[in-house]
Amino acid sequence: AQSVTQLDSQVPVFEEAPVELRCNYSSSVSVYLFWYVQYPNQGLQLLLKYLSGSTLVKGINGFEAEFNKSQTSFHLRKPSVHISDTAEYFCAVTGRDNDMRFGAGTRLTVKP
Amino acid sequence: GAVVSQHPSRVICKSGTSVKIECRSLDFQATTMFWYRQFPKQSLMLMATSNEGSKATYEQGVEKDKFLINHASLTLSTLTVTSAHPEDSSFYICSASESGPSYEQYFGPGTRLTVT
Repeated sequence: AQSVTQLDSQVPVFEEAPVELRCNYSSSVSVYLFWYVQYPNQGLQLLLKYLSGSTLVKGINGFEAEFNKSQTSFHLRKPSVHISDTAEYFCAVTGRDNDMRFGAGTRLTVKP
Repeated sequence: GAVVSQHPSRVICKSGTSVKIECRSLDFQATTMFWYRQFPKQSLMLMATSNEGSKATYEQGVEKDKFLINHASLTLSTLTVTSAHPEDSSFYICSASESGPSYEQYFGPGTRLTVT
C-alpha cells in the first residue's frame, strides 16, 4: 500500500518569498500524486497532479511540483507567495486501485 | 466541470439521534464515491469506499452499523450517522471519481457535524 509523509507540519514565510512544501511517498507500484489546498471549513481544492509524462507539473495559483522517482518525492513550490496562500496543504498518493492516502498536512502561513 | 456538492454544510443534532449527509456529483457520473472524516487540525481519514449499486467497503476500525453508506445512483451517495454521540462530531468530506483511469477524486465542500 502507498503512503505519504509531509515533512513539515507548519511553514511560516513572508509575503513575496519563495516556498517549498515537502512531500515524500512510498509505494511498490506505479503512483499518482496530488497536491490539494484546504481553506478553513472548506473541502479540498486540487492544485496539481502527476499521473505520467513530464515530471514538472504546473498547477493553479502559480504552484508547481516536481516528481522525483529516485528520491520518491513530490515537493510543491511557489516562487512568490501571497497572503491569500495561507491555508492547509495536503499531499496525496493513489495507485491503480484509486485508494487515495493523504499526508498529515502542512500549514502554510504567509506573513506581511 | 466535476463539481461535487454536499448537503447540509452544517448540522447540529442531539445525542442519540441519526443524521444523514448527502453527496452529489452535479455534472458527471460517479462510479465510486469516498467518505472521509477530518478532525480539527488533522488530515483526512478514509472511512469507506462505495461503488454504485454495491455495498460499501469500510476501512478497518470504522463501524459499518454506525456509519451507513448508500450509493443508490451514479450521482448520489449518502452517509447516515446512526445514534450519534458527541465523539462523532467532526468534518465529513465526500469525494467522487469517474469511471476510467483518471485516478482523480473530486471533493465536496464538507459537512460540519456537531453532536450535543
